[in-house]
Amino acid sequence: EAGVVQSPRYKIIEKKQPVAFWCNPISGHNTLYWYRQNLGQGPELLIRYENEEAVDDSQLPKDRFSAERLKGVDSTLKIQPAELGDSAVYLCASSLSWGVYGYTFGSGTRLTVV
Amino acid sequence: KQEVTQIPAALSVPEGENLVLNCSFTDSAIYNLQWFRQDPGKGLTSLLLIQSSQREQTSGRLNASLDKSSGRSTLYIAASQPGDSATYLCAVRRNSGGYQKVTFGTGTKLQVIP
Repeated sequence: EAGVVQSPRYKIIEKKQPVAFWCNPISGHNTLYWYRQNLGQGPELLIRYENEEAVDDSQLPKDRFSAERLKGVDSTLKIQPAELGDSAVYLCASSLSWGVYGYTFGSGTRLTVV
Repeated sequence: KQEVTQIPAALSVPEGENLVLNCSFTDSAIYNLQWFRQDPGKGLTSLLLIQSSQREQTSGRLNASLDKSSGRSTLYIAASQPGDSATYLCAVRRNSGGYQKVTFGTGTKLQVIP
């Protein structure tokens, strides 16, 4: 079974440029999460989807971040424009459903804004 | 607000030793707790998931315990190996204002010396 697939693995961009990350969750996993992890810290939730609905985006900086999960499968996370402080690892995870089941994480996208 | 603390932040042990990693949380009304390992530059790999009704889970050389009343979980690693070197994170899931929130600790960086 393929795990959670993320791309790209690395991205270096200049500040004020846009950037997008892509995630393909495990087949059949209804719940999809985007997390941001700063160096030496634990991951922090940006947004959670139940199928195609964003049910928790309270931590998403909506002025510059956006996300979508069309057809309840793949998801993209976009930053526009990027700032220096956005440099971090962006992790996607999925689970069968919210609550009882644990997460499976992708390998993440390491973003460097210069 | 749930706070999750992992002590120590870093640990170095000789190969073959048994060791214990600690995870403390302030709000004991949790649904479950999950232990992950993270290798440098990689995503998180799930190790063990303990539901709130359970006291412990075992997988191979790993044993995780949960004591909700005291707000603690421990991850026991038996006969440590150099391949166990990684950062270990715990994640606590609880109900918060109608949402279920997951809070990660900042991790314990483990080095097993051959």
